[in-house]
Amino acid sequence: NAGVMQNPRHLVRRRGQEARLRCSPMKGHSHVYWYRQLPEEGLKFMVYLQKENIIDESGMPKERFSAEFPKEGPSILRIQQVVRGDSAAYFCASSPDRVIADGYTFGSGTRLTVV
Amino acid sequence: GENVEQHPSTLSVQEGDSAVIKCTYSDSASNYFPWYKQELGKRPQLIIDIRSNVGEKKDQRIAVTLNKTAKHFSLHITETQPEDSAVYFCAASKNTGGFKTIFGAGTRLFVKA
Repeated sequence: NAGVMQNPRHLVRRRGQEARLRCSPMKGHSHVYWYRQLPEEGLKFMVYLQKENIIDESGMPKERFSAEFPKEGPSILRIQQVVRGDSAAYFCASSPDRVIADGYTFGSGTRLTVV
Repeated sequence: GENVEQHPSTLSVQEGDSAVIKCTYSDSASNYFPWYKQELGKRPQLIIDIRSNVGEKKDQRIAVTLNKTAKHFSLHITETQPEDSAVYFCAASKNTGGFKTIFGAGTRLFVKA
């Protein structure tokens, strides 16, 4: 089991460009969670997705950010028209179907730098 | 809304001493409390967790306590070692709302040799 795979590990974008971050969940997992970690700060919840559905996007900025988890392929976090304040580490975690809360296995993260 | 507060933000101890990190949570429906360790440039990793039906849990040099009435929970590390130096995050989750986990702001622990 390869674990939660995120790519790219590092991404540099100029202001105004688009950033696409990919997350492949662990095998057999159908739930994906995205978190953002600003430098020297904690993990902020962004969005929770199941296959083809957004379940909770209460942490997503209202503009420029979107997420999807298609039937086939990885989950994608898309940031349009990036600004310097978007520079952060973006982590995803995945889980199987659950009946009780449990811990996360995180991917290695994508470190986005906006120049 | 849901909130987890964590203190202190920075903690410096001498090797061999104990370290204690404290957290409070706001959502009384929370019933699962994991702790994560994040080394510089790495992913957060689960190190221990506690559920609301238990008051204390221990795993070698680390232990967690939970006071549901006060909505407090704590991480205790005994006989600290330099490799314990990292950022530690407490978190809270519950069996509804998609098991979304809310994290504290983190404690940067320095263990001086």
